[in-house]
Amino acid sequence: GESVGLHLPTLSVQEGDNSIINCAYSNSASDYFIWYKQESGKGPQFIIDIRSNMDKRQGQRVTVLLNKTVKHLSLQIAATQPGDSAVYFCAENIPDYKLSFGAGTTVTVRA
Amino acid sequence: NAGVTQTPKFQVLKTGQSMTLQCAQDMNHEYMSWYRQDPGMGLRLIHYSVGAGITDQGEVPNGYNVSRSTTEDFPLRLLSAAPSQTSVYFCASSYSGPGNEKLFFGSGTQLSVL
Repeated sequence: GESVGLHLPTLSVQEGDNSIINCAYSNSASDYFIWYKQESGKGPQFIIDIRSNMDKRQGQRVTVLLNKTVKHLSLQIAATQPGDSAVYFCAENIPDYKLSFGAGTTVTVRA
Repeated sequence: NAGVTQTPKFQVLKTGQSMTLQCAQDMNHEYMSWYRQDPGMGLRLIHYSVGAGITDQGEVPNGYNVSRSTTEDFPLRLLSAAPSQTSVYFCASSYSGPGNEKLFFGSGTQLSVL
């Protein structure tokens, strides 16, 4: 698989490999984090979420890891498929109804 | 179940014109919000509402007005369009707010101001 140590705007991954998308969040008071997927011409779609009292959460082919010490969030996609090609955004909920989004990572899956 | 519906999908305005972007949801969500999306900047919160009759400013509210007269509708008004408002606009909703659950997004309105 491929990993991104710091946030990079693009990630190219071979079909079948694992993908890791990283995100640094800004506010130590943030208590809820979400990953969204956005395909071209569409609105963001929910992938997975995690609360600040957890370190890891797994979904179908996706895992989110939260490191509060360094304010870092990552999304792992297992066995990446062509349909996973999209822009991926992390978002943090800053208390009082404000959801703040990162700049996004464009994932391209190579056949 | 339609979810979050935005109209129009595309709009071109001249500088100084006004218009309203429509947003409706049929999920009985209390929380609704507007975001703008610009290249390389992610989504930025313009305004939000936690229920009918209640609105508040987000990160980039200048040049935009909102109102929430019903639970279902949350229109965004551009008072005097400027080229800097060229963007893709998304409406999003949830039952209790982004601190508790995911937001549902509409498909977006692409706005160009000439």
